[in-house]
Amino acid sequence: AAGVIQSPRHLIKEKRETATLKCYPIPRHDTVYWYQQGPGQDPQFLISFYEKMQSDKGSIPDRFSAQQFSDYHSELNMSSLELGDSALYFCASSLGSQSYEQYFGPGTRLTVT
Amino acid sequence: GQNIDQPTEMTATEGAIVQINCTYQTSGFNGLFWYQQHAGEAPTFLSYNVLDGLEEKGRFSSFLSRSKGYSYLLLKELQMKDSASYLCAVKGGNNRLAFGKGNQVVVIP
Repeated sequence: AAGVIQSPRHLIKEKRETATLKCYPIPRHDTVYWYQQGPGQDPQFLISFYEKMQSDKGSIPDRFSAQQFSDYHSELNMSSLELGDSALYFCASSLGSQSYEQYFGPGTRLTVT
Repeated sequence: GQNIDQPTEMTATEGAIVQINCTYQTSGFNGLFWYQQHAGEAPTFLSYNVLDGLEEKGRFSSFLSRSKGYSYLLLKELQMKDSASYLCAVKGGNNRLAFGKGNQVVVIP
């Protein structure tokens, strides 16, 4: 069965650069969630979208923005990168905003040097 | 807000049973989830409880007491591949998941 796809899988950037992470949800899933997991930390919710509209916002820095496109894929844009942004970024998708199960993608490992 | 507590690490032998506990405080409750996460990989869904009681799914069972803000995950007949971090996550009044810090289980022969 098709799963959530994230690209790139690994990304290395320098401080103050920008990065764009992409997420392709499971076909027919209309809701996308972004989570950030620092080393040894639990995943922290950043932001979610349902039917191309932002549905919830968590601890996402103002330097980050995200959107969901007409084909339901989502992009997380990160600017003025800081060393502390180094983390695993997971995208999850679900069918419907109230669906109980979120399916996680493999993650993008971002390293800021 | 949400506050989720989990102990950090435990070691057990193959074939054993381990119980991983999770306590939570949350405004609004729409379910408690258990995920398994191998190092550097995505969390994978194990179980979901929204009503009090025990949910059994193969070698894994999860229990919920909403009045106590408490859940546990029971892993039976441990296998080496069960060595992983186990995360409990609460879905609050919105749809986001609030994760606890995870409990590392190390299975030894």
